[in-house]
Amino acid sequence: AQKITQTQPGMFVQEKEAVTLDCTYDTSDPSYGLFWYKQPSSGEMIFLIYQGSYDQQNATEGRYSLNFQKARKSANLVISASQLGDSAMYFCAMREGDDYKLSFGAGTTVTVRA
Amino acid sequence: NAGVMQNPRHLVRRRGQEARLRCSPMKGHSHVYWYRQLPEEGLKFMVYLQKENIIDESGMPKERFSAEFPKEGPSILRIQQVVRGDSAAYFCASSPIQGSEKLFFGSGTQLSVL
Repeated sequence: AQKITQTQPGMFVQEKEAVTLDCTYDTSDPSYGLFWYKQPSSGEMIFLIYQGSYDQQNATEGRYSLNFQKARKSANLVISASQLGDSAMYFCAMREGDDYKLSFGAGTTVTVRA
Repeated sequence: NAGVMQNPRHLVRRRGQEARLRCSPMKGHSHVYWYRQLPEEGLKFMVYLQKENIIDESGMPKERFSAEFPKEGPSILRIQQVVRGDSAAYFCASSPIQGSEKLFFGSGTQLSVL
């Protein structure tokens, strides 16, 4: 079974608007961590934000925030005030329990329009 | 994440040749992970190493692939007798301790097999 599901293969967003990228996960482990990475066309993987399963508050990092809904097993990434430089592929990933391996989703391509 | 250095950035090999991919972790990080990304897919775990030890190589093909992380120098992912199916982006990540949320990736090596 897929551990991480990203259902939106591609999205368009107008510059300065907000965009929400969906991510649902599947785990029976009560302890887990959720990551979001950005991969621009140049190919590198850039860490954006992390949410632990026991964290009481939703994680935020600048214009990135994570809408963590534990009961629904979703960890959507919200990018506010989109910029042209936000155009990239975005990956959601999960690490379960004491494991060190990340399971990645298939990614969502975001294209920001001027 | 600029601290994780991978080289070369691009590597072209003919079928049957050897590919050597290098990764220098961030300063202070002694845990290294290798991932592979096939086109249009998320990253898949290959191997986890600490200095001089392979901890988990469950994601690495049994044949032709090997990895090391010597006491001195970078971690090396070695692919012998490359085939076209080995063409992919290979990413290295490092962390200061196992299971840390501070997991940062390098820029990857794009391997193309002709």
